[in-house]
Amino acid sequence: RKEVEQDPGPFNVPEGATVAFNCTYSNSASQSFFWYRQDCRKEPKLLMSVYSSGNEDGRFTAQLNRASQYISLLIRDSKLSDSATYLCVVPFTDKLIFGTGTRLQVFP
Amino acid sequence: DAGITQSPRHKVTETGTPVTLRCHQTENHRYMYWYRQDPGHGLRLIHYSYGVKDTDKGEVSDGYSVSRSKTEDFLLTLESATSSQTSVYFCAISGDANEQFFGPGTRLTVL
Repeated sequence: RKEVEQDPGPFNVPEGATVAFNCTYSNSASQSFFWYRQDCRKEPKLLMSVYSSGNEDGRFTAQLNRASQYISLLIRDSKLSDSATYLCVVPFTDKLIFGTGTRLQVFP
Repeated sequence: DAGITQSPRHKVTETGTPVTLRCHQTENHRYMYWYRQDPGHGLRLIHYSYGVKDTDKGEVSDGYSVSRSKTEDFLLTLESATSSQTSVYFCAISGDANEQFFGPGTRLTVL
């Protein structure tokens, strides 16, 4: 099993839709998790941190299921500007393990 | 945005030549990382540093060396560049080995 696995997508959704991505991880000892957003040909940028069962920031909600070892990211009321690749990230000792990302394309 | 820069931003070089990429931060963060990003592989850790002169290998360290003589600078050297090292290289910094902040990247092409 890969350390961090994500569905590569793409997820093509209309503006205003709700979309959810899942990410599974193998290291059961991980305590914190992150979602990064990466625009085409740009650097990854931290979107959300998840330290307990979940976190909400405006239209974005991240949830953690430790028993099943997965993290989800929910985006409500999608905007065109949400089009990007979303990276699931899991710490391991003093390093981060990055998923390969899920691509989201929001269309008008 | 975190104060982190990379130089050069773009470089084209020939197989067998040495190449050095520089990462500079103004945040005084303890941890610095070098990643490469290739299609289908995501971000892969090359080397990282947890303090001045303290470095360790990542998962794809073969063919790369690093140095950190000052808190603010972390250098990545390709001793003898190969075509397989054509990639986008990102530097990242972190204060607590958790959340990382990335530089703008360097696009390296080895012909």
